[in-house]
Amino acid sequence: DIVMTQSPDSLAVSLGERATINCKSSQSVLYSSNNENYLAWYQQKPGQPPKLLIYWASTRESGVPDRFSGSGSGTDFTLTISALQAEDVAVYYCQQYYSTPYSFGQGTKLEIK
Amino acid sequence: EVQLVEAGGGLVQPGGSLRLSCAASGFAFSTYSMNWVRQAPGKGLEWVSFISRPGSPVYYADSVKGRFTISRDNAKNSLYLQMNSLRAEDTAVYYCARQTYRYGSDNYFDSWGQGTLVTVSS
Repeated sequence: DIVMTQSPDSLAVSLGERATINCKSSQSVLYSSNNENYLAWYQQKPGQPPKLLIYWASTRESGVPDRFSGSGSGTDFTLTISALQAEDVAVYYCQQYYSTPYSFGQGTKLEIK
Repeated sequence: EVQLVEAGGGLVQPGGSLRLSCAASGFAFSTYSMNWVRQAPGKGLEWVSFISRPGSPVYYADSVKGRFTISRDNAKNSLYLQMNSLRAEDTAVYYCARQTYRYGSDNYFDSWGQGTLVTVSS
């Protein structure tokens, strides 16, 4: 089974500043036949279901602001928010969909400093 | 507009059973694999089960294998989760989630329902 580990567990960033969340998988989620990383990022605000932000490690879902970006390959990935807005306060999860059991990171709680 | 609406949650005693449903609308339900994902109070997301477009194959997390059964009725645009032998640790909000398909495989979860709360307690 693939274990996903995020860091940090919580993060406080000033408005307008950059926020960076890391995600590490216990084995590679890069599929060699198509050169795609089977890694997604979700945002969850209190009382709401998760919302897809990024898939294939770096492709933004339609409607997601371009201040959100994803990077990385293989086992190490990063979600970056280039200039934090108040509405970005949420918990962020990475997920691998390379193989079942699908697995999520433990979540990173992002707050305003 | 894609809509997923879960129902069937509630309070159940340990050892009891419950059947969750997820009504889908706004898309061709039969062309998507579906999943259940749960979230215990104050905790993170845990994948529970997968069902492919025609209804087989299905997969389960080890924590629910042998106790939960996922199924679907494509004619009714509905997904189900039969939960038996419930335990306190099954207490969670249960979400149904649609899974995209590309490159010949099932991929990320692009739409989620609002969830239904299951509480297992005496």
